[in-house]
Amino acid sequence: AQKITQTQPGMFVQEKEAVTLDCTYDTSDPSYGLFWYKQPSSGEMIFLIYQGSYDQQNATEGRYSLNFQKARKSANLVISASQLGDSAMYFCAMREREDSSYKLIFGSGTRLLVRP
Amino acid sequence: DVKVTQSSRYLVKRTGEKVFLECVQDMDHENMFWYRQDPGLGLRLIYFSYDVKMKEKGDIPEGYSVSREKKERFSLILESASTNQTSMYLCASSLRRWRGNTGELFFGEGSRLTVL
Repeated sequence: AQKITQTQPGMFVQEKEAVTLDCTYDTSDPSYGLFWYKQPSSGEMIFLIYQGSYDQQNATEGRYSLNFQKARKSANLVISASQLGDSAMYFCAMREREDSSYKLIFGSGTRLLVRP
Repeated sequence: DVKVTQSSRYLVKRTGEKVFLECVQDMDHENMFWYRQDPGLGLRLIYFSYDVKMKEKGDIPEGYSVSREKKERFSLILESASTNQTSMYLCASSLRRWRGNTGELFFGEGSRLTVL
């Protein structure tokens, strides 16, 4: 079974508008962490935001916020005021506490294209 | 600036060749990882290492081996390259979990391997 599911292979958004990228996860571990990474065409993976499963508030980092709905097991990324430079692949990932390997499990990604 | 450096951005090899992908990090991280990225599949873990000379299989280790002789260096080896190993290979590193950090992975720029 997929542990991380990103159902949107591709999305468009108009410049300056907000966009939500979906991510659902599956775990029975009560302690886990959720991550979002951005991958521009250059190929490097850029860390955007982190949410711990026990964090009471949704994580925010500048124009990025994570809409964390624990009961629904969703961790959607919201990008406000989209910019042309936001065009990239976006990956959702999870690390489970019981997994001592520290590895992240990634979704299949969403390609976002910002239109001028 | 923290840095993970992969030795080659682009490689073209022939079927049956032995291929070495090198990765070096300058952050004194204990954990190092090799992921493979394919369209529609996201990132899949090949091998990881949480200490010098230690290695563990990830989700898709078949056809690959790794070497970690020094803390800063983690090498991925394709003993006999095949066309189905044509892919983007991403190296990453992270601090050991109990230092109270999120376990964020720091990635290199990737190595795009084509096997003819």
